[in-house]
Amino acid sequence: GENVEQHPSTLSVQEGDSAVIKCTYSDSASNYFPWYKQELGKRPQLIIDIRSNVGEKKDQRIAVTLNKTAKHFSLHITETQPEDSAVYFCAAQRDDKIIFGKGTRLHILP
Amino acid sequence: DSGVTQTPKHLITATGQRVTLRCSPRSGDLSVYWYQQSLDQGLQFLIQYYNGEERAKGNILERFSAQQFPDLHSELNLSSLELGDSALYFCASSLSGGGGNSPLHFGNGTRLTVT
Repeated sequence: GENVEQHPSTLSVQEGDSAVIKCTYSDSASNYFPWYKQELGKRPQLIIDIRSNVGEKKDQRIAVTLNKTAKHFSLHITETQPEDSAVYFCAAQRDDKIIFGKGTRLHILP
Repeated sequence: DSGVTQTPKHLITATGQRVTLRCSPRSGDLSVYWYQQSLDQGLQFLIQYYNGEERAKGNILERFSAQQFPDLHSELNLSSLELGDSALYFCASSLSGGGGNSPLHFGNGTRLTVT
């Protein structure tokens, strides 16, 4: 069945450094790729998304890249800050069918 | 505030009991999704409704059921509860369902503790 693989499961980076989280998907018909951030004890919230007709999208310190041929997409966070510590989920979506990755726990080290 | 309302926020009950979790989607959203999140786990998809009809099912146990009412609010019923059902249950809503893509808007969740 359709699947989304997300790596790494845990990531620790020094404050100020960059963090990269990668996802691969299996359903070639997926055409929408949102990323959600979940802080401890809170609800997941959309932080950035990209559609299949775009290769890259940036919003301040956050960027997402998409390689449709290879069926993978990545989240890039630059100049990491303590408030970036959270669990990040990628998702691959086709219409209302959504497959989530298992999440990446990001730790920002002081 | 996502606009998605979940009640109650917390629920503590005993094994074998039955509970109902309620979700009101964001105004204008037609799709409602239910997810289960156990401690330190990912988002386990349970079930989705679109405009009152069941759209997709995930790994939802037979002891669990759900429905979406004409006013688009949804209820998740959990029966014969077991200790392992203790989790955070999220409802999410989105506009899409009949085509097109839109992000999910999550409620704050209902934390269920089964003792």
